[in-house]
Formats: sequence, structure tokens, C-alpha cells
Amino acid sequence: EVQLVESGGALVQPGGSLRLSCSAPGFTLRGFWVNWVRQSSRKGLVWVSRINPDGAITNYADSVKGRFTISRDNAKDTLYLQMRSLTVEDTGLYYCAADYADLPFETWGRGTRVTVSS
Amino acid sequence: EIQMTQSPSSLYASVGDRVTIICRSSQSISHYLNWFRQRPGKAPELLISAATNLKRGVPSTFSGSGSGTYFTLTISSLTPDDFATYYCQQSSSLPLTFGGGTTVEI
Repeated sequence: EVQLVESGGALVQPGGSLRLSCSAPGFTLRGFWVNWVRQSSRKGLVWVSRINPDGAITNYADSVKGRFTISRDNAKDTLYLQMRSLTVEDTGLYYCAADYADLPFETWGRGTRVTVSS
Repeated sequence: EIQMTQSPSSLYASVGDRVTIICRSSQSISHYLNWFRQRPGKAPELLISAATNLKRGVPSTFSGSGSGTYFTLTISSLTPDDFATYYCQQSSSLPLTFGGGTTVEI
């Protein structure tokens, strides 16, 4: 069974930056749309961003537009979420989820935790 | 932004019970509706896509119906694995949005 792996979460101060990574050990992310989703107790599941297979198309939630950048390195078979100007509202468990087999959000990782606090 | 509203927000049931969860969208999304189950401490998992298409490997006790703005997820006979939180999600337009979740408790 395919399992995605996220990393890079940490405790960071407001205004700080983080870069999250997502990979699929033993499988591949190449050729698939991939999404980032945040989960918090306050707001539940919130879609953050997505990227198409060649990286040419990216979409963002309004709340992160201009602050977050999604990208992928197909040579390294890894996806990234660069997060800047973080606020407490960005706190949560960040999942990556891939559209395998043309199914939306077919496979998820276990998440990486981001805490924005002073 | 399309708002997704689930009801009830929680319900109590027993093993073997039939349960139905409702999801409404603030505007028509045709059949672009997905259902997820999230067990405690785990990531969400896709159950149903495009309102009615059961993902391979998901038990046939799960079924989805609806179109437009009204959708349902039915579990015909609850098993212990099914005590979890269920989310609907629309994939009709950006931003993709999730419902607030329905927790099925024993």
C-alpha cells in the first residue's frame, strides 16, 4: 500500500518560515496532482494548495496566497510547501494527498505538525 | 467559495446499525462530491468519489448518492472500524472545501 511521508513541521514564531516536504517511498509522485491539506481543531480540514504533474499549474487557498509556494522536484520525486510570514492561523497538521489512479485525494500521508506561536 | 454543511455533526449508533450522513453545498456542484473517513489518530481516507463511486477495496456497506446540492453517505451496517469522523468535500471549483465532519460514536 502506498504511503506518503511528510516532513519539515516545527514550532516557529509568528512571521517565520518553514518548508514542508512530501515524498512517496517505494512509489512515485511523478505524474500525479498532489495537494496539501491542513487540519486544526478550530477549522477542521482546510485545503491549502495543489500542483499538477509537471509543476506548471499551482492553486492556493486565499488565506495562503502570496505567502505559501508549492513546488515539486520530479528528479528528486519530492513535493514542497514553502511557507512564509506564518501566523497563528497557519497552525495545524499538514497532510499531503495525491490523486493516484485519477481519484481525488486517493492517498494521504500521516501529516507533519506546524505550530506557530511566540 | 462553496460552503459544505454536514448533518448531524455527531451521532450515536451501535454495531450493525444503518446510518445516513447528509452533506449540502451552498451552490450546485453537480456530482463533484467526495466522502472521506478519518479514524482517530489517522489520516483521512477516500471512500467515495464523484458522489457515488466506491473506491476499490472499500466495503459495499458504504454507498453514496445525490447530485446538485444534496448528498448522502449511507453505511448499511456499522462495524467497529466505522466509528470515526466522516467528511464530505466538493471538487467542483476552487477553493476545494470540506464539510465540518460527522462523528459516528458508539
